[in-house]
Amino acid sequence: NAGVTQTPKFQVLKTGQSMTLQCAQDMNHEYMSWYRQDPGMGLRLIHYSVGAGITDQGEVPNGYNVSRSTTEDFPLRLLSAAPSQTSVYFCASSYARDYGYTFGSGTRLTVV
Amino acid sequence: AQKVTQAQTEISVVEKEDVTLDCVYETRDTTYYLFWYKQPPSGELVFLIRRNSFDEQNEISGRYSWNFQKSTSSFNFTITASQVVDSAVYFCALSDLDTGRRALTFGSGTRLQVQP
Repeated sequence: NAGVTQTPKFQVLKTGQSMTLQCAQDMNHEYMSWYRQDPGMGLRLIHYSVGAGITDQGEVPNGYNVSRSTTEDFPLRLLSAAPSQTSVYFCASSYARDYGYTFGSGTRLTVV
Repeated sequence: AQKVTQAQTEISVVEKEDVTLDCVYETRDTTYYLFWYKQPPSGELVFLIRRNSFDEQNEISGRYSWNFQKSTSSFNFTITASQVVDSAVYFCALSDLDTGRRALTFGSGTRLQVQP
């Protein structure tokens, strides 16, 4: 049981490049979400999903896209990276009948 | 809208001192969960406690204790006899259930430094 797996752990991008942060869970959790962590601001919700095929925006969705084609995967796409997207990104999942959250280990992204 | 406020940005104590981390929340929901997470220097998020809005009993787990007061919308965290290993950033978070969103609203965190 791997829990929530995020890849890659570290990434450096040039401004304007695109990339996908991967998030996969093997616990059959219905709910998944992406957060970014910036110094002094805690974690802020980017996008979330309440099930396969259903996604919605969080507090800071601009510049990011998501999709949820399967229960297991919830990738986060940066279409045109900007320095303001330099951050640590966390993915989390949650089971409907339990109100706990399982977090991945994070992806540290630097946009230069 | 939901909001979680951790007014203490950084706290420094000497080992064996007791320390309380404050958390004040705002929500219109009647059903919600409150959480505390620890983020050590290694960066992962470590779950500490979850408390639902209907359970105002205080909880103690070893050197950790939590005081939930609905009347003041606070969920404070006390570490008794602090140790150097307690040095970390601590986050308070809120999850509303009424909207069905099932995601967390975090406070900005409190950095705790425990000096030997």
